[in-house]
Amino acid sequence: GENVEQHPSTLSVQEGDSAVIKCTYSDSASNYFPWYKQELGKRPQLIIDIRSNVGEKKDQRIAVTLNKTAKHFSLHITETQPEDSAVYFCAANTGTASKLTFGTGTRLQVTL
Amino acid sequence: EPEVTQTPSHQVTQMGQEVILRCVPISNHLYFYWYRQILGQKVEFLVSFYNNEISEKSEIFDDQFSVERPDGSNFTLKIRSTKLEDSAMYFCASGLMGGETQYFGPGTRLLVL
Repeated sequence: GENVEQHPSTLSVQEGDSAVIKCTYSDSASNYFPWYKQELGKRPQLIIDIRSNVGEKKDQRIAVTLNKTAKHFSLHITETQPEDSAVYFCAANTGTASKLTFGTGTRLQVTL
Repeated sequence: EPEVTQTPSHQVTQMGQEVILRCVPISNHLYFYWYRQILGQKVEFLVSFYNNEISEKSEIFDDQFSVERPDGSNFTLKIRSTKLEDSAMYFCASGLMGGETQYFGPGTRLLVL
């Protein structure tokens, strides 16, 4: 089955700096790659997603890149703010109903 | 903006008891999912449901688990005889189409004593 690896597990950046989180996946049939932000005790919230027919997508301070050949995708957050502090999960879809396989999460801490 | 809702928000039960977790997916969505998240760990897939039947299930989803869509709006997860290791946050999610965005509910925190 699909295996999604994510790193780093924790990331501390200063406010205003950029943060990059990387994921790899194993199933070449995966074609949808969402990123979720989860605050403590809350639901995962979709922040951006990318499909396999594009290599990059941007939404204000957030961007995602996808390298299908290498089976890598990355989340880039620029000009980080304290409210960006949370756990971020990458995921990849597999199967007939496109279940999501999640990475292990990255705890991002943005310090003042 | 429509949201997935779940009840109850918290459930405490004794080992061996049955629990039913309820979800109301977004109304025009066709794909429904249950995931669980053990405290401090990643989100894990349990089961997907489409066209009134299970389309896929994980190894976690054994005979103690079942899902049902009893009417046009609710989607339930039943655990027949809870075990200590079933303690987790259970999330329902729904999507309009397979391979499209999945929207998560707020979760039910289940504690088995």
